[in-house]
Amino acid sequence: EDQVTQSPEALRLQEGESSSLNCSYTVSGLRGLFWYRQDPGKGPEFLFTLYSAGEEKEKERLKATLTKKESFLHITAPKPEDSATYLCAGNAGNNRKLIWGLGTSLAVNP
Amino acid sequence: GAGVSQSPSNKVTEKGKDVELRCDPISGHTALYWYRQSLGQGLEFLIYFQGNSAPDKSGLPSDRFSAERTGGSVSTLTIQRTQQEDSAVYLCASSFGGTNTGELFFGEGSRLTVL
Repeated sequence: EDQVTQSPEALRLQEGESSSLNCSYTVSGLRGLFWYRQDPGKGPEFLFTLYSAGEEKEKERLKATLTKKESFLHITAPKPEDSATYLCAGNAGNNRKLIWGLGTSLAVNP
Repeated sequence: GAGVSQSPSNKVTEKGKDVELRCDPISGHTALYWYRQSLGQGLEFLIYFQGNSAPDKSGLPSDRFSAERTGGSVSTLTIQRTQQEDSAVYLCASSFGGTNTGELFFGEGSRLTVL
């Protein structure tokens, strides 16, 4: 069964304290691993798409990487405004049914 | 507007009543999706539209749920005879059809509470 698992469920960081969020997947014929950010009361906002092992994407303090079994979202020197839930999703060749993880709730304290 | 618009933002209804949720996608986006998000659950796929057609309705939980899309634009999700387990946030997303990029543009959702 296709599955996406995120860890940790929740993470609390001090401002400037770098860390990584994990997304492990078992999605047959993966055709893309996606990261989204979701703020309370809002819909998810697209961050990155990764297609192949070894690929990396960066945006401001965020860097996403992909291996054959998992993806990491690295957050460098986070700021309070990075606080949100980060979701990853796998595309099993049909983006009508992205397989979503439960998310990591990140809180960055000033 | 520039983004995906959903209404109502909040809906409280009594068990057994019917509800309609509306989604106005980004202009020019041919693909439209409905998802459901509950506490402690991941995003649950409900239905996908390409234009006015729904090639994939496999996520609709029961025959109480239906959706339509008209003019390749606005979509309505209807839940008949609501049950308490229908309480959730219903999210609509749109994208350029056929790209398979996974880059979906989401609305802010409609929070449904069934008493």
